Amino acid sequence: DQQVKQNSPSLSVQEGRISILNCDYTNSMFDYFLWYKKYPAEGPTFLISISSIKDKNEDGRFTVFLNKSAKHLSLHIVPSQPGDSAVYFCAASDPYLDSGNTPLVFGKGTRLSVIA
Amino acid sequence: GAGVSQSPSNKVTEKGKDVELRCDPISGHTALYWYRQSLGQGLEFLIYFQGNSAPDKSGLPSDRFSAERTGGSVSTLTIQRTQQEDSAVYLCASSLYKGSSYEQYFGPGTRLTVT
Repeated sequence: DQQVKQNSPSLSVQEGRISILNCDYTNSMFDYFLWYKKYPAEGPTFLISISSIKDKNEDGRFTVFLNKSAKHLSLHIVPSQPGDSAVYFCAASDPYLDSGNTPLVFGKGTRLSVIA
Repeated sequence: GAGVSQSPSNKVTEKGKDVELRCDPISGHTALYWYRQSLGQGLEFLIYFQGNSAPDKSGLPSDRFSAERTGGSVSTLTIQRTQQEDSAVYLCASSLYKGSSYEQYFGPGTRLTVT
């Protein structure tokens, strides 16, 4: 039973337009959410995160929105660039240890293609 | 500084053989994680080491899987009597808890193919 769901396996967007990647979760205990970007033959790299006490976090062209009542988050990339083409994974953290380091629960990913 | 490294990058093995996958985390990172990504799937948590605490093995799919972390640094994931369903990319990550940051840094992965 998937706790983090990315229902769109792929997305194509024209260069310069907005890319919106969606993620839904089922576990209300999750309190920290992250987006990772993965290129072929490389490990995922951290992109942006958001704590459950916020509803928006912005970093340059990347903005993550969190709707706790809907258990939904989204990643907006604007303007999209061809170099953004990659697989994007949504991940959530359910801290149960005081240290705060806990395994992440990942979605299956969405492959974004930005067309020039 | 150096990131997380993993070796080998690719491993092809025959069904029934044992394999060892190695992870060198970022120096000073106290937490180390193993995940795997099977074809068309997300990253699946396997095992987690935090400092000197007993590892969290709750994600290991069977008793054929084991891992150890020596000296709080290098980790080895061992799969005994490999099966074809073990074929996947095995990813290692490490992290250093900083306040509310849960960022994990991933290695490039080991692609395991069981024939």
